[in-house]
Formats: sequence, C-alpha cells, structure tokens
Amino acid sequence: QQPVQSPQAVILREGEDAVINCSSSKALYSVHWYRQKHGEAPVFLMILLKGGEQKGHEKISASFNEKKQQSSLYLTASQLSYSGTYFCGTELIQGAQKLVFGQGTRLTINP
Amino acid sequence: EADIYQTPRYLVIGTGKKITLECSQTMGHDKMYWYQQDPGMELHLIHYSYGVNSTEKGDLSSESTVSRIRTEHFPLTLESARPSHTSQYLCASSLTPGQGAGRVRRTESFFGQGTRLTVV
Repeated sequence: QQPVQSPQAVILREGEDAVINCSSSKALYSVHWYRQKHGEAPVFLMILLKGGEQKGHEKISASFNEKKQQSSLYLTASQLSYSGTYFCGTELIQGAQKLVFGQGTRLTINP
Repeated sequence: EADIYQTPRYLVIGTGKKITLECSQTMGHDKMYWYQQDPGMELHLIHYSYGVNSTEKGDLSSESTVSRIRTEHFPLTLESARPSHTSQYLCASSLTPGQGAGRVRRTESFFGQGTRLTVV
C-alpha cells in the first residue's frame, strides 16, 4: 500500500532541474507532497487531486496521472534552499486525509 | 506558520518508564495524527483521530496509546518504554474539507517539530 518514490536520491548543481516520481498500486484520490529538511518538520508543498490536475508553487510544480496512479514533482532551476527529503503522501479515500507516505527522495543541491 | 506544538523536543529516558508526549494545536483542526520516523526514513502513521473521543490505530503497529478529550490536544503515552521505542515522533493536524470558515475545500497536514525519544 505504501507508494514507491524514485529516485531514492538526487544530487544536482544549482540551476539544474529534477523530477521525483511517486507511484501507487492502489487507486488514489489525492497525492500530497512535502519537503523535510534535516532535523525539521515536514513542510507542505502542494496537493494533487485525481483528474490530472497540475499545481505550481514557485519553481516547483507537480502532476497527477490518474491512469497510471502516479504523481511527479518537477523542480526547475533548483536553488540551494530546495535541498531536503521529499515525501509524497497518498490518500486512497476522499476526505479520509489518512496519508500513506513514500520512503522519500533525498535531494542535494550543490553550488 | 503552523500553530502545532510538541513537547518535549528531546527526551532520554530509562527502560520501563512511563512517558507522555504532548501535542497541541490552536488551529481548530478536527483531525490529528501521530507519525513515527526513524532518521532518514519514511513517516509511519501510528495513530489518528477524526475528532474528540475518536481514535484509531494507524498502519504501523505501536505499543503506544492516544487520547482525544479536547479538540486541540492529542497526547501519546507509552506505559513502559523500551529501547525499540527509540525514534522521532511527529504530530500533525488537518481540517476536513468543507469545514471551517470559507468552507475549506482541501487542506494539507501541518506538522509539529517532533519529539526525539531515546530509551536507554
């Protein structure tokens, strides 16, 4: 039931782009994306609802492919502040808000 | 900035002791959650609550218990701590879509800073 994230880790230079994927074997109602910096609490980035909705947040955007039960997070022109571990949380039932999180993708941005 | 607070931030305690981790939120959220997270690993849901007097166990089995007597308060208790309980515990809250001022359509979870528990 746990979604699978890929890749597990990414190392980029500042200004490069990255894509993080989140796949589920179950039909999803929504996908939530969070970023967690070392020693800090996860911080909300965005929610994607079924219907192929694409959302944006500064230079971070995401999509949700309902047919594939997959969501992708796009980070363009990465900044040093983007470093951290990115988690997707999946919601199976509308309104349940009980999220099952993926194992995380560690993103390192170097100058 | 999220208004959800956890205390203590760090706790080192001996085996067999009873402990209570506190979590409070001032946002009027109806749903609250406890997650367990080992360093660098995923978050595992161990307890959640849909409202006052409503609690359920999460996907990861845990020997801890919770209570929800007041909307804003969701404490987690370990009756007898063991070294295997060493981990970080994160509390979170969210608002049910359609609730609250302006009929919120969908909401995210807000996380507390966590309690890092070490049982020796």
